[in-house]
Amino acid sequence: NAGVTQTPKFQVLKTGQSMTLQCAQDMNHNSMYWYRQDPGMGLRLIYYSASEGTTDKGEVPNGYNVSRLNKREFSLRLESAAPSQTSVYFCASSELAGESVDTGELFFGEGSRLTVL
Amino acid sequence: AQKITQTQPGMFVQEKEAVTLDCTYDTSDPSYGLFWYKQPSSGEMIFLIYQGSYDQQNATEGRYSLNFQKARKSANLVISASQLGDSAMYFCAMRGSYNFNKFYFGSGTKLNVKP
Repeated sequence: NAGVTQTPKFQVLKTGQSMTLQCAQDMNHNSMYWYRQDPGMGLRLIYYSASEGTTDKGEVPNGYNVSRLNKREFSLRLESAAPSQTSVYFCASSELAGESVDTGELFFGEGSRLTVL
Repeated sequence: AQKITQTQPGMFVQEKEAVTLDCTYDTSDPSYGLFWYKQPSSGEMIFLIYQGSYDQQNATEGRYSLNFQKARKSANLVISASQLGDSAMYFCAMRGSYNFNKFYFGSGTKLNVKP
């Protein structure tokens, strides 16, 4: 059972280059998320998708774009990478559906370490 | 806006002893869920325990329990009988009812278990 799969796991970019982080989940979850993790700051939400066909901004969306390709896949794109985007990126999914906080913990991928020089 | 505060950047505990990791939160949502995650040095995020704001009893999962004090807006994680494998970062997180898709995380506590 793969769960949430992210690729690539490591990437080094030069300032101004673009790249896409791919994420796929096989748990039939409705909601998917992209977080970044920086030392001392916990995880900050970049974008999320509550369901197929919808995406919304999180806390730190600037410099990123996302695509919810289908129910399984949610990609994160950096159009013009900057050193401030050096971070570990996590994709996550949740079975959350409907307006309830009673269920639906996040299931995380293994993370993608991105360095922008 | 939601906010999660973890005031202990790092903690030490002796093996086999209990330890409490602090978490306070701020929200105006009428209902919310509180979560704890563990992140070992290998980097993956592991879900530990969940507490709903309307739950009458504190959540427990094996050696993990959540000391939920709603009036104080605190949701401390208690690990009993610490093991060396408990050494990790621990994150408190919250999801509110007004925007249930947004999970908010604290900055984390690094726990070191000493033999």
